[in-house]
Amino acid sequence: NAGVTQTPKFQVLKTGQSMTLQCAQDMNHNSMYWYRQDPGMGLRLIYYSASEGTTDKGEVPNGYNVSRLNKREFSLRLESAAPSQTSVYFCASIPGQGPYTEAFFGQGTRLTVV
Amino acid sequence: QKEVEQNSGPLSVPEGAIASLNCTYSDRGSQSFFWYRQYSGKSPELIMSIYSNGDKEDGRFTAQLNKASQYVSLLIRDSQPSDSATYLCAVNIELKTSYDKVIFGPGTSLSVIP
Repeated sequence: NAGVTQTPKFQVLKTGQSMTLQCAQDMNHNSMYWYRQDPGMGLRLIYYSASEGTTDKGEVPNGYNVSRLNKREFSLRLESAAPSQTSVYFCASIPGQGPYTEAFFGQGTRLTVV
Repeated sequence: QKEVEQNSGPLSVPEGAIASLNCTYSDRGSQSFFWYRQYSGKSPELIMSIYSNGDKEDGRFTAQLNKASQYVSLLIRDSQPSDSATYLCAVNIELKTSYDKVIFGPGTSLSVIP
């Protein structure tokens, strides 16, 4: 039972490069989220997808795009990476709308932009 | 005003003492509240959820909710060195579309001193 799988685990980019962070869940959850975590900042919501086919901006969406490819997969794209995007990125999934239960997190992607 | 606020800490308590962690939130319509624990370099894991005013106990952990004051707390009794971690408060922000958005506070770093 894999749960939430993120790839890659580590990545170093040069300023201006692009990349896509992948996230997949096998729990048949409706909602998926992308967070970034910086020291002392907790988890800040970048984008979320309440259901397949919908995406919405969170607290810090600038510089990112997302795609909810299907119910299982939710990707995060950095079109032109900047040093300010150096962070740990977490993907999470939640069963669905209605009473919220628990967020299940991937293992995180540590991204460094030089 | 941020949607979810916590004392950033660090909070240091001696082994065996009670650790008290606090969280306030801004959205009066929020119905679901959660405490996650995050060890350094790891993903957050759920330790408590609470939906109704009052106290909820689970082993050494007690969550307290006061919706009128928009306040959530977590008490850890008989603190152990293994409790040393960052504790994240999460609030389910209800949206007009009925889909939910989960917002995390900045976290409180707890250190339990042997």
